[in-house]
Amino acid sequence: DAGVTQSPTHLIKTRGQQVTLRCSPISGHKSVSWYQQVLGQGPQFIFQYYEKEERGRGNFPDRFSARQFPNYSSELNVNALLLGDSALYLCASSLRANEKLFFGSGTQLSVL
Amino acid sequence: KNEVEQSPQNLTAQEGEFITINCSYSVGISALHWLQQHPGGGIVSLFMLSSGKKKHGRLIATINIQEKHSSLHITASHPRDSAVYICAVRLGANNTGNQFYFGTGTSLTVIP
Repeated sequence: DAGVTQSPTHLIKTRGQQVTLRCSPISGHKSVSWYQQVLGQGPQFIFQYYEKEERGRGNFPDRFSARQFPNYSSELNVNALLLGDSALYLCASSLRANEKLFFGSGTQLSVL
Repeated sequence: KNEVEQSPQNLTAQEGEFITINCSYSVGISALHWLQQHPGGGIVSLFMLSSGKKKHGRLIATINIQEKHSSLHITASHPRDSAVYICAVRLGANNTGNQFYFGTGTSLTVIP
């Protein structure tokens, strides 16, 4: 079975642009969560979705939004990009909302 | 103040040594993950604990809920164990989501 897949793997944007990152969970997993990892730090929780509903949101500005589709895949959108948004964005899926996490390889976003 | 503190931040060991990485947290939790992150970003969940002790091969994870402390032990360490080890906690005794909060990681290097 395929693991959690994220696309694209790398992305370069300029300040002010908008970006959409995609995540496909492991087949059968209904929960997807998103994390931001700045170089040298641990991941920071951004969003969790379960059964297409937002279950939690971390301390991120409204420029960050996400959604989950009927097939349980998810998109993370970031508007009005800032230099500080440069990071590795990780997606994790789990069977249900409070179970073991399985991580994708991440999308490396660079904002110039 | 980070809810999750790890020590040490960096650790260098000789092959074969017994290694301990510590994680302390300041609030009630419902679960704790030990994660392994290799260069390039991929994260693998090693253990998810809510009490007691778990063992998988040369890895052992323990948690003391009363003391708000967990340890990850690696027996007979090997150069392939070199990675960043991250502790992540799900806050709140009744938290039913997957809103994990992460430590900053322990960078382990095992020298042949």
